[in-house]
Amino acid sequence: DGGITQSPKYLFRKEGQNVTLSCEQNLNHDAMYWYRQDPGQGLRLIYYSQIVNDFQKGDIAEGYSVSREKKESFPLTVTSAQKNPTAFYLCASSIRGADTEAFFGQGTRLTVV
Amino acid sequence: DAKTTQPPSMDCAEGRAANLPCNHSTISGNEYVYWYRQIHSQGPQYIIHGLKNNETNEMASLIITEDRKSSTLILPHATLRDTAVYYCIVRSLYNQGGKLIFGQGTELSVKP
Repeated sequence: DGGITQSPKYLFRKEGQNVTLSCEQNLNHDAMYWYRQDPGQGLRLIYYSQIVNDFQKGDIAEGYSVSREKKESFPLTVTSAQKNPTAFYLCASSIRGADTEAFFGQGTRLTVV
Repeated sequence: DAKTTQPPSMDCAEGRAANLPCNHSTISGNEYVYWYRQIHSQGPQYIIHGLKNNETNEMASLIITEDRKSSTLILPHATLRDTAVYYCIVRSLYNQGGKLIFGQGTELSVKP
């Protein structure tokens, strides 16, 4: 089935450790996005990428890094510089420049202890 | 970025129409109105979108005012499974890669 997959669903890390969240899509979409959601809040954009080997900062990029080496994959690294990393992280993809829907993964809930 | 305003919560009786309003008074001419919903701890689900004409699909109808400053999402026969947070989103295809700008959303509770 076509879709967007995030793994793992739940992730626990100790404070000070970097952690990488996976996002894979087989929809042949050029554009991919990472969002963060805190309890009771809407989603905020961390990074986005419109083509392979290119990505841009979103509204809350500090403490995060990404790569886009393949069209299908857009991993997000939460670094130790991110002051409040515990959150629900959502990945999305869409056709670039088209008024079509963006598809979301099921999210990764990261807890840093 | 154009901003949206929605009521924080609404109730609806099962089987009745749910009408969810959204204000987007600063929307610009090339920005679309999208609606998504999110059930707790899941990824948002696309519902519908439009530019200036009213739209209908198998899930819902979207009514956009002529001046485009507000819109209403209509779920014609709400069921208990429609209980979720509904987000009205303004999207520019050319701003920050077509990002979706989420507000706080409306928490819809469908009651038996």
